[in-house]
Amino acid sequence: DAGITQSPRYKITETGRQVTLMCHQTWSHSYMFWYRQDLGHGLRLIYYSAAADITDKGEVPDGYVVSRSKTENFPLTLESATRSQTSVYFCASSERLYNQPQHFGDGTRLSIL
Amino acid sequence: GQNIDQPTEMTATEGAIVQINCTYQTSGFNGLFWYQQHAGEAPTFLSYNVLDGLEEKGRFSSFLSRSKGYSYLLLKELQMKDSASYLCVSMDSNYQLIWGAGTKLIIKP
Repeated sequence: DAGITQSPRYKITETGRQVTLMCHQTWSHSYMFWYRQDLGHGLRLIYYSAAADITDKGEVPDGYVVSRSKTENFPLTLESATRSQTSVYFCASSERLYNQPQHFGDGTRLSIL
Repeated sequence: GQNIDQPTEMTATEGAIVQINCTYQTSGFNGLFWYQQHAGEAPTFLSYNVLDGLEEKGRFSSFLSRSKGYSYLLLKELQMKDSASYLCVSMDSNYQLIWGAGTKLIIKP
């Protein structure tokens, strides 16, 4: 089925470890996004990408790295995880930036101990 | 600055109507979205307004007043499955989304 899938759904790791969250979409959407969602906050944009090999920082990029070698994949890496990065992470995609909704994956619930 | 304000929580009765208000301060405003998010799930798109007025889509309607920086989401004939958070989201001049913290809607039988 067409859509956007994230993996893993749940992850527990320790501070200082590297962890990569995967995101794959089958719509061939140009734009992909990574958000984190924390209690009491709206979704906050970490990074986004307009196309393969084009990425840009969002509101809260520190501590995160992204890449987009293929249109359909947009992995997010925490190079050295910290407790403050415990959150729910959502990947989203859209055909274009304006006048188009973003479509979200089911999220990854990440706990850093 | 850029800001979205919406109530934290609302309660309504099954079968009734509820209006969720949202005020925004967004530079170079480029439209407003409403998303629904059930607990533990992803946000899903409900509506998009860029011009003043009311957009109706089944039981859900969304209204926008650009001059007042105001929007509302109207839900009619409430069902238990409408219990969710409703996220008000504005788009700025750079087409970046500014997300509200969401309104948790509790539906009682």
